[in-house]
Amino acid sequence: SQQGEEDPQALSIQEGENATMNCSYKTSINNLQWYRQNSGRGLVHLILIRSNEREKHSGRLRVTLDTSKKSSSLLITASRAADTASYFCATAGNDMRFGAGTRLTVKP
Amino acid sequence: GAVVSQHPSRVICKSGTSVKIECRSLDFQATTMFWYRQFPKQSLMLMATSNEGSKATYEQGVEKDKFLINHASLTLSTLTVTSAHPEDSSFYICSAFRTGATYEQYFGPGTRLTVT
Repeated sequence: SQQGEEDPQALSIQEGENATMNCSYKTSINNLQWYRQNSGRGLVHLILIRSNEREKHSGRLRVTLDTSKKSSSLLITASRAADTASYFCATAGNDMRFGAGTRLTVKP
Repeated sequence: GAVVSQHPSRVICKSGTSVKIECRSLDFQATTMFWYRQFPKQSLMLMATSNEGSKATYEQGVEKDKFLINHASLTLSTLTVTSAHPEDSSFYICSAFRTGATYEQYFGPGTRLTVT
């Protein structure tokens, strides 16, 4: 069964805008990871945030984690057409569970 | 960083044949590896947990006689799809759990299986 649930399911923005995706989960976790997947391709690891961390940055990516609300958000700033992809959150405990993903479309 | 490879990246086979997919952790040991399946436009579905030196643990609904998993060493796990059928066509992804590192998993690039 899936653990993480992302919302929105689909997001369409213009190049240069920011994109925010959210993820909620149900059980206790050790860490939460965000992945990107281009159509028909494998997963690309973006960022890992541990349960004792609240915020993490990597380039244009900003991830927050609120363990009290069991939620995380991924912010992509100054989006580019190349950011068009599906984004998944994955929670890590004894195994790893994925949400259904957010399909992001960045229009040039 | 940690690298996980899969081979082959793409395979086309005829219905009724078997296909083996390899998952290797290239620069770390992985006591545990996971196998996932992904249908088009859907998330990854965990199929089974592969532990080195012991039998794999399958998720509910996954046929263990159809999806044979062998974890022969700390760096290699294989998934064999036996008597493949067109409905087995999918994207198969493995991940390796780094031994000694708490809850860190790294994913392979995936294998696209097409059964004709």
